[in-house]
Amino acid sequence: AQSVSQHNHHVILSEAASLELGCNYSYGGTVNLFWYVQYPGQHLQLLLKYFSGDPLVKGIKGFEAEFIKSKFSFNLRKPSVQWSDTAEYFCAVYSGAGSYQLTFGKGTKLSVIP
Amino acid sequence: KAGVTQTPRYLIKTRGQQVTLSCSPISGHRSVSWYQQTPGQGLQFLFEYFSETQRNKGNFPGRFSGRQFSNSRSEMNVSTLELGDSALYLCASSLDKANEKLFFGSGTQLSVL
Repeated sequence: AQSVSQHNHHVILSEAASLELGCNYSYGGTVNLFWYVQYPGQHLQLLLKYFSGDPLVKGIKGFEAEFIKSKFSFNLRKPSVQWSDTAEYFCAVYSGAGSYQLTFGKGTKLSVIP
Repeated sequence: KAGVTQTPRYLIKTRGQQVTLSCSPISGHRSVSWYQQTPGQGLQFLFEYFSETQRNKGNFPGRFSGRQFSNSRSEMNVSTLELGDSALYLCASSLDKANEKLFFGSGTQLSVL
């Protein structure tokens, strides 16, 4: 069965610091990869996704992620975080036809200190 | 366009009872997925429905069941509730496939006492 690992449970950063959240998955075939974000009091929403092509994908609010196939990784980055980025971030993988499900990591809580 | 609507927002039940949660997807969306979210485990897949058919089921006991109606609305039922069933139950809808963008509802917070 496929699985998704997010390395950090809780990350605390000061405003303007750079962010990198790790995500690794275990599945040998073709995957679609996602990052979802849950802001306090709000529902989960899509941040960005990778299906194919350029392994560096850009999402909303200045976020980007890089797919490294050889490392089974899809790390999320942002050059300069803001207080409004405080949220929980979930990495997810879709492994192809027939599964009809996303497998999520356990999430990384990001706290940005003004 | 209205988002995904889940009712009720909060539920308190006691062990042994059963509960039914409801989800209305975005208009035009035919796929509805359910997830259980807990602080320690993140989001775990329960099941996915499309055109009233369950296409996939997660690794949960048979006490967890669901269905989808012809208007794409979906319900999930948990029978014989256990303390460990306390969680946020999220519903998500998409046009067709799970690898499309999922739109999530705000969830139903279930507390089992």
